[in-house]
Amino acid sequence: DIQMTQSPSSLSASVGDRVTITCRASQSISSYLNWYQQKPGKAPKLLIYAASSLQSGVPSKFSGSGSGTDFTLTISSLQPEDFATYYCQQSYSTPRTFGQGTKLEIK
Amino acid sequence: EVQLLESGGGLVQPGGSLRLSCAASGFTFSSYAMTWVRQAPGKGLEWVSAVSGSGDGTYYADSVKGRFTISRDNSKNTLYLQMNSLRAEDTAVYYCAKDNQHLWLVRFSGDHFDYWGQGTLVTVSS
Repeated sequence: DIQMTQSPSSLSASVGDRVTITCRASQSISSYLNWYQQKPGKAPKLLIYAASSLQSGVPSKFSGSGSGTDFTLTISSLQPEDFATYYCQQSYSTPRTFGQGTKLEIK
Repeated sequence: EVQLLESGGGLVQPGGSLRLSCAASGFTFSSYAMTWVRQAPGKGLEWVSAVSGSGDGTYYADSVKGRFTISRDNSKNTLYLQMNSLRAEDTAVYYCAKDNQHLWLVRFSGDHFDYWGQGTLVTVSS
């Protein structure tokens, strides 16, 4: 199974900040990497697919990059509604696996 | 508007069974693979199982293989997860999610889960 490791596990930031979350795969997954946002008590929401493609309806302040084993999710100009937990997920092979999550908290 | 509505969760004793359902609307159900993802209390997301759009391909995480069965009824636009021999570690919120592709490919899929239900809680405890 492909292991996905996110860093950091938690992150404190202020409104207006720009933050970057990293996801590393245990083997090359090409660009088969997706990012999801989850708020407490809610279902995950797809933000980015295929490493850098923005899901329809998602604000352009979210961006993704990377290929192979190293990927990043960047959120620019943080707003209160962006404070949530973010997960990466590989779709290179079955079983699909998720990172452990990065909890973004307000400083 | 795509909607996915899970049901069937609840409290069950270890060794018991439960069947989850996911009613879909707002898209051509038979055209897309579907998947179940679970989340234990306070934990991260775990992929559980997937089924191709036609229902003839099914896939499982090792943690549930041989105990869980995924199926779908395309005439009823409904996805199912039959869970047998339940264990305490199966306690979680179970989400159904729509895949963006019809087929479920074991490798080099490049798919993603574009819509999710609100989840249903399964608690396995005596």
